[in-house]
Amino acid sequence: KQEVTQIPAALSVPEGENLVLNCSFTDSAIYNLQWFRQDPGKGLTSLLLIQSSQREQTSGRLNASLDKSSGRSTLYIAASQPGDSATYLCAASNYGGSQGNLIFGKGTKLSVKP
Amino acid sequence: KAGVTQTPRYLIKTRGQQVTLSCSPISGHRSVSWYQQTPGQGLQFLFEYFSETQRNKGNFPGRFSGRQFSNSRSEMNVSTLELGDSALYLCASSYLQGARGSYNEQFFGPGTRLTVL
Repeated sequence: KQEVTQIPAALSVPEGENLVLNCSFTDSAIYNLQWFRQDPGKGLTSLLLIQSSQREQTSGRLNASLDKSSGRSTLYIAASQPGDSATYLCAASNYGGSQGNLIFGKGTKLSVKP
Repeated sequence: KAGVTQTPRYLIKTRGQQVTLSCSPISGHRSVSWYQQTPGQGLQFLFEYFSETQRNKGNFPGRFSGRQFSNSRSEMNVSTLELGDSALYLCASSYLQGARGSYNEQFFGPGTRLTVL
């Protein structure tokens, strides 16, 4: 059974700092891994999706990596800004099951201080 | 292209009542999934529909049900509401080309906040 863990649960950094959010998963037979952002009381915004055959994806100041052998994904945020403050969630979908079934971590709540 | 829409955005019900939530996927998306989000349990998968068929179901009691219409719009129903059903219910849609060959990126709606009193 796939389990997804995100550490730390909360992170506070000063503006301008580069930071890394961590996501680990127990079953390496993933179909893809997706990173989301959630603002308080809102839905999820898709940030990056990494297919199982890929090692990383980039979008603007964001870079996500995937290492299936170690069961880890990281989300790198460059030059953080106060507007990056939100909860970041990673989610895995597995082969063999319904790819619409995402297994989520509990998230990392990021606070970027001006 | 319009995003995923969910109605209503907020609902207040009392224990024992039933509720129906609606989700309209992104145009062209044929897969709709539902999730429940609570502070304690986080995001949990409820069920997924594709072409009006339920493909997968999470570990929830039978009080939770859903359906999908021919235009891909989906509804979920919760009967005999309990206090613990208070949550943010999120719907996600994706474009599935088939078993393979699709990224299956999930796009989420804003959610329906259900409060059970």
